[in-house]
This record gives sequence, structure tokens and C-alpha cells, in this order.
Amino acid sequence: EAEVAQSPRYKITEKSQAVAFWCDPISGHATLYWYRQILGQGPELLVQFQDESVVDDSQLPKDRFSAERLKGVDSTLKIQPAELGDSAMYLCASSLFRTYNSPLHFGNGTRLTVT
Amino acid sequence: GNSVTQMEGPVTLSEEAFLTINCTYTATGYPSLFWYVQYPGEGLQLLLKATKADDKGSNKGFEATYRKETTSFHLEKGSVQVSDSAVYFCALSDQDGNNRLAFGKGNQVVVIP
Repeated sequence: EAEVAQSPRYKITEKSQAVAFWCDPISGHATLYWYRQILGQGPELLVQFQDESVVDDSQLPKDRFSAERLKGVDSTLKIQPAELGDSAMYLCASSLFRTYNSPLHFGNGTRLTVT
Repeated sequence: GNSVTQMEGPVTLSEEAFLTINCTYTATGYPSLFWYVQYPGEGLQLLLKATKADDKGSNKGFEATYRKETTSFHLEKGSVQVSDSAVYFCALSDQDGNNRLAFGKGNQVVVIP
């Protein structure tokens, strides 16, 4: 079964440094999501793409976070500068359609630790 | 806004016991409801879903029924196995066209042999 690929699996960085995560969705999936999961909490949506366009980034801290999906396929999420409170699991997901009952397929995530 | 509430605390039970995890939601309109499972070190996997009132989702022995009158979607399994140990998340997706999922906080389930 096709999977959502994410890298790296783990990242340790010092505060004030820049960090980037990469995601490759399932082939053909037009919709891509980045979620943040703080330990002990459910995932929260950071940004959603439809092809190469952002359709929702209302919860993305835009002063330090940026996301792009230039060719409408893979995506990069960047944090600059990283803060201690950014330590979390960053999950990428994709779905075939943008409609409300199109299942999301999640990658294994990138666990970020900011020291 | 839309939200999902799951019962507090981890759930520890013995193998072959009956499992129930409570989930209630607040939403406008008629959301779709989901249960996702997260095994250690992995991403979330869709366990089951229901898209309208009175629908029952089922998979791998797990079941949940969409109860509009009580705004609930409780997860049940009649006889758990050690391999069911994981974190379970209830989620909803509203019908605003963006397929945005709102998750509950999750429940850690530990099944003891």
C-alpha cells in the first residue's frame, strides 16, 4: 500500500536555529496537510494545500513558520527561528480529494526536539 | 467551533476484556466522524468512520455508531488483544469543503496479557 513519506524521522536543534521537514504524499493525492502533535494532545492542523495553493493556514504561526508545495507534489515545512515550545511531532497527511469524507493518510511524522 | 471531547486518562485492561472509549462532539451541521489509531512510533491510521447519523463504522473488531441525538461516537471492541495497545483518537470533519479534521486529545490503551 502506498505511503506518505516524511523525513527526517527525528530532529534535534537548538533554539533560534532553522529547521525544515519534508513530505512526499501518496501519488495522485491533490490535498496535503501539515499537522502538529504536542505530546499528550491530538494533532492540530497547521496548513492545508490543494495542489500548490494554500487553502488554510489560519493556525500557522507565520512569523516563524513557512510551508510550500511548489509543484503540487512534495512539500516542505520550515521553522525559523525554532523555539522551545516548537518541540512536537510534525505529521504530514494527504487525501485524494478535498471533500469532507476523503480519508486522510498520515506519514510516520518528524519528531522535533528544540534544546 | 467544532470540537471533540474524549474521556480523560489512559485505559488499562486485560486481554479479552471489553473496551469502550467515549467520544462526544460539538459541531454545526452534519460532520463526518472518525476513529484513528496511533501505534508507538508511527503516524495515525484510519480505523473506522461514519458519515451520517445512525451509521455504524467497523473494522478489525472495533465498532462505533454515529449518534446524533447524544452527539457521540463511542468506540467499542468486545475482546481486546495485546496488539490493540495504542493511542486512539476521535475526530470530526465538517462539511465546509476543506476536509479539515478536528481531533480529540486521544486515549492511551494498554492491554495486559
